Amino acid sequence: DAKTTQPNSMESNEEEPVHLPCNHSTISGTDYIHWYRQLPSQGPEYVIHGLTSNVNNRMASLAIAEDRKSSTLILHRATLRDAAVYYCILNWGGSEKLVFGKGTKLTVNP
Amino acid sequence: DTAVSQTPKYLVTQMGNDKSIKCEQNLGHDTMYWYKQDSKKFLKIMFSYNNKELIINETVPNRFSPKSPDKAHLNLHINSLELGDSAVYFCASSPGTSGGVEQFFGPGTRLTVL
Repeated sequence: DAKTTQPNSMESNEEEPVHLPCNHSTISGTDYIHWYRQLPSQGPEYVIHGLTSNVNNRMASLAIAEDRKSSTLILHRATLRDAAVYYCILNWGGSEKLVFGKGTKLTVNP
Repeated sequence: DTAVSQTPKYLVTQMGNDKSIKCEQNLGHDTMYWYKQDSKKFLKIMFSYNNKELIINETVPNRFSPKSPDKAHLNLHINSLELGDSAVYFCASSPGTSGGVEQFFGPGTRLTVL
């Protein structure tokens, strides 16, 4: 399973943008980059995913490096509700299998 | 409307007992999963089913037996419960089996084995 590296924790202030980095230097051409988050005492929640191009949705933006060896999840205006563990996951195109790492625990300060 | 629901939310039982956790999705998805999140918060896939057929079985002890009576349901039966089975179990579903699909997770079932 392709591996990702994320910081253990990050802090942000409310209403400020947050950039969550993820390194995946061993990514292969068919690996999708997925981001999920897990709020306290809840199940994981899909945030966004992409393959090669940057992606935007109502929750976040995903910026993918040109060589695809790293990506950044961007929360444009953090709210207290965004405090969660964020997981960056590589997922081979032919499989639905998600392999969760330790993720980044995001703390949002009021 | 809950997309992926699980029952029960909490389950406390003695070692050696047999228990089941139920999962239902009303999203019309073809694929369903069971994940286990241990005390260290690592989340690992256990099984996946596509159209009631087992697709992924991740070296889970055979005391764990998933059963899919139809596409909307995937239940998890656990025999001879052990202390190490204590964890939060999450059910999930997705519209397909490719790598580019979103998975929808249930709220989890916290299993405590005494």
